[in-house]
Amino acid sequence: QVQLQESGPGLMKPSQTLSLTCTVSGGSISSGGYYWSWIRQPAGKGLEWIGRIFPNGNINYNPSLKSRVTISLDTSKNQFSLNLTSVDASDTAVYYCARDGFGDHWFDPWGQGTLVTVSS
Amino acid sequence: EIVMTQSPATLSVSPGERATLSCRASQSVSRNLAWYQQKPGQAPRLLIYGASNRATGFPARFSGSGAGTEFTLTISSLQSEDFAVYYCQQYNNWPETFGQGTKVEIK
Repeated sequence: QVQLQESGPGLMKPSQTLSLTCTVSGGSISSGGYYWSWIRQPAGKGLEWIGRIFPNGNINYNPSLKSRVTISLDTSKNQFSLNLTSVDASDTAVYYCARDGFGDHWFDPWGQGTLVTVSS
Repeated sequence: EIVMTQSPATLSVSPGERATLSCRASQSVSRNLAWYQQKPGQAPRLLIYGASNRATGFPARFSGSGAGTEFTLTISSLQSEDFAVYYCQQYNNWPETFGQGTKVEIK
């Protein structure tokens, strides 16, 4: 079965660029007709969808973050990545990667999540 | 974007009792509605999709209903492992949006 695992820095300073990677195992990221998404959750709060990528290069971003977000795919490593520029304290959250259905955009499965703290 | 509103914020229920959670959309999402279960320190887990289809691994005591703007998640007889936070999510309109969650706690 497909499993996802996020990796990246736990602590960052304001204005830096956040870079996270999601490694997919148990299946190929470029087959099956799925999108691959990033979602975040500030502590004690709800969930915010950040953006998604399809193996053909199609990408969607949440308009609320679009100016700062870049999502990319590395099929040779079976990974996809998130870059978020100019972070501040409001970007402190647990970041999840998830498989995203083609046409029906529910999320299943999810990675375990990685906490990113932005602090000076 | 579509705003999803869940109620109540917290639901106190005794084991064995029925729990009813509500999710309202600010405009129609047809039946393009999912529910997730999240336990402390864990990622959300898909519970329901298409408003009423139960995901793999969840027992029949979980059921979803509704269409348009009003949706319900029912847990018919709460077990200890069901105490968690439940989120609804619409995927009818981009960007996909989540509700703020309902915490089901032990009474």
